[in-house]
Amino acid sequence: GENVEQHPSTLSVQEGDSAVIKCTYSDSASNYFPWYKQELGKRPQLIIDIRSNVGEKKDQRIAVTLNKTAKHFSLHITETQPEDSAVYFCAASTSYQKVTFGTGTKLQVIP
Amino acid sequence: SAVISQKPSRDICQRGTSLTIQCQVDSQVTMMFWYRQQPGQSLTLIATANQGSEATYESGFVIDKFPISRPNLTFSTLTVSNMSPEDSSIYLCSVRDRGGEKLFFGSGTQLSVL
Repeated sequence: GENVEQHPSTLSVQEGDSAVIKCTYSDSASNYFPWYKQELGKRPQLIIDIRSNVGEKKDQRIAVTLNKTAKHFSLHITETQPEDSAVYFCAASTSYQKVTFGTGTKLQVIP
Repeated sequence: SAVISQKPSRDICQRGTSLTIQCQVDSQVTMMFWYRQQPGQSLTLIATANQGSEATYESGFVIDKFPISRPNLTFSTLTVSNMSPEDSSIYLCSVRDRGGEKLFFGSGTQLSVL
């Protein structure tokens, strides 16, 4: 089955700096890669996703890149703000099937 | 996105007892997914609940411990049976959108077993 690895497990950045979280997946059949943000005590929320036929996708301060050949994908947050502090999960799946999550990255943005 | 209602939101239970968690979706969905999130950990899939057939369990999870019902296309229950403190976790139901991609979560059930 699919295995998703995520690094780093914790990340501290100064407000205004960029943050990068990296993931790798194992199953070449995976074609959908979402990213979730989970604030303390709340459910995971989908913040951005990318399909395997796309190399990069941006949404305001958030971008995701995908290298299908290397089975790598990354989340980039620019101009970080204190409200970006949360746990971020990457995931991989095929359509309609189960979604496998990475181990999570706790991001702390220091004001 | 789907609206997913889950209850109870939290419960404190005695070891050896069972708890049934309910999940209601505002639209018909083929598959519903039950995840467990242990304290400080990631999301682990317990099982996939299909209407009209037996649930499909992931490695490490068995039907006797986590029986699932799926009586219709908008509702499912997960029971945590014969609980022990190791079952203390957040349990989340989830569904994918009509396109089969975006996964949305219910609000979760925070379970503590004493």
